[in-house]
Amino acid sequence: AQSVSQHNHHVILSEAASLELGCNYSYGGTVNLFWYVQYPGQHLQLLLKYFSGDPLVKGIKGFEAEFIKSKFSFNLRKPSVQWSDTAEYFCAVNPSSNTGKLIFGQGTTLQVKP
Amino acid sequence: DGGITQSPKYLFRKEGQNVTLSCEQNLNHDAMYWYRQDPGQGLRLIYYSQIVNDFQKGDIAEGYSVSREKKESFPLTVTSAQKNPTAFYLCASQSPGAFPFEQYFGPGTRLTVT
Repeated sequence: AQSVSQHNHHVILSEAASLELGCNYSYGGTVNLFWYVQYPGQHLQLLLKYFSGDPLVKGIKGFEAEFIKSKFSFNLRKPSVQWSDTAEYFCAVNPSSNTGKLIFGQGTTLQVKP
Repeated sequence: DGGITQSPKYLFRKEGQNVTLSCEQNLNHDAMYWYRQDPGQGLRLIYYSQIVNDFQKGDIAEGYSVSREKKESFPLTVTSAQKNPTAFYLCASQSPGAFPFEQYFGPGTRLTVT
């Protein structure tokens, strides 16, 4: 079955530390990839997306992600986190261009200490 | 303002009662989705609808039912057959023309069944 795995369930960082959240998926075909973020008390919102072209994509708030096809990975990065980045982060994969269904990972809770 | 509304924000029910969660969108999107979010499990797809008067089961449809009589509305009924209904429910919509299929989420309804 198609699945998405996020390796880190709970990450605690100090402000200004660098962030990398792992995401791997199991699907051999063409995929579209997403990272969503859920800030406390807010809607789930899109951070960034990849569907073709440059495998390094940039999103909002200084986040970026790199698609490595050979590793089936789409890791999220940020060079220097802020307290306001405290949130839950979800990786999602659209494994078929025929439907818009997304498969989500388990989520990673990021806590940034001021 | 365009967006997705879900009501109510919090809902409490007794075991054995059916309950209907509302989801309305004014984005003119064709596709709508219902997810369930549980801690450590990410978002799991309950039902989705790509067009009015048509809907499909997702990965965890048992104990749930939906209807799609209008483009802007996609209510979800949690029936008494759902064994573990207490959860956070998210509704999303999507424009099929907006490749690569970004989904827009509502604020969610937290259902507690005792």
